[in-house]
Amino acid sequence: GQQLNQSPQSMFIQEGEDVSMNCTSSSIFNTWLWYKQDPGEGPVLLIALYKAGELTSNGRLTAQFGITRKDSFLNISASIPSDVGIYFCAGRTSYGKLTFGQGTILTVHP
Amino acid sequence: NAGVTQTPKFQVLKTGQSMTLQCAQDMNHEYMSWYRQDPGMGLRLIHYSVGAGITDQGEVPNGYNVSRSTTEDFPLRLLSAAPSQTSVYFCASSVGDSYEQYFGPGTRLTVT
Repeated sequence: GQQLNQSPQSMFIQEGEDVSMNCTSSSIFNTWLWYKQDPGEGPVLLIALYKAGELTSNGRLTAQFGITRKDSFLNISASIPSDVGIYFCAGRTSYGKLTFGQGTILTVHP
Repeated sequence: NAGVTQTPKFQVLKTGQSMTLQCAQDMNHEYMSWYRQDPGMGLRLIHYSVGAGITDQGEVPNGYNVSRSTTEDFPLRLLSAAPSQTSVYFCASSVGDSYEQYFGPGTRLTVT
């Protein structure tokens, strides 16, 4: 089946630092999605990307849909303690099914 | 709107027991799905439904059954629980299969 490789697996950063994480795949996706999961909760959608090359921002978050349609990155600028959580990328094919990456665990030290 | 709700939040089963995980949504979404989340493996699709009366298998369907008799409800059944089914289960819904999915809070299941 399709697989997404998400990196890094975990990050430990100081408050105020910028964060970058990415996902790569051997398959082409029509949509890339980035979710955040807080402890004990379900994933919440942060950003959706629909076109190759698309760059989208949502506050301090910026994400890009790779030109090859096989990768995407998420940047978080000026991190704050509430950014702590697990971030997942997900790719969607034309058939609608989502394939998730393994997740990036983000820890922010005040 | 309550969004996507799941019950129970926690459950402990013995090997061989059966149970049903409940999922309901009040957004009139056609598409609903079940995922399991295991450490280091992200979320994996178990079963999904594109509308009432229609279900299909996902990536890891073995050991699970689903049905979709109404638009609102999409229960997940474990007929004979196994320790390998210890996981956190998430239900999700969306307007259609190409739209953003909204996740419930999850059910943490332990099978001993």
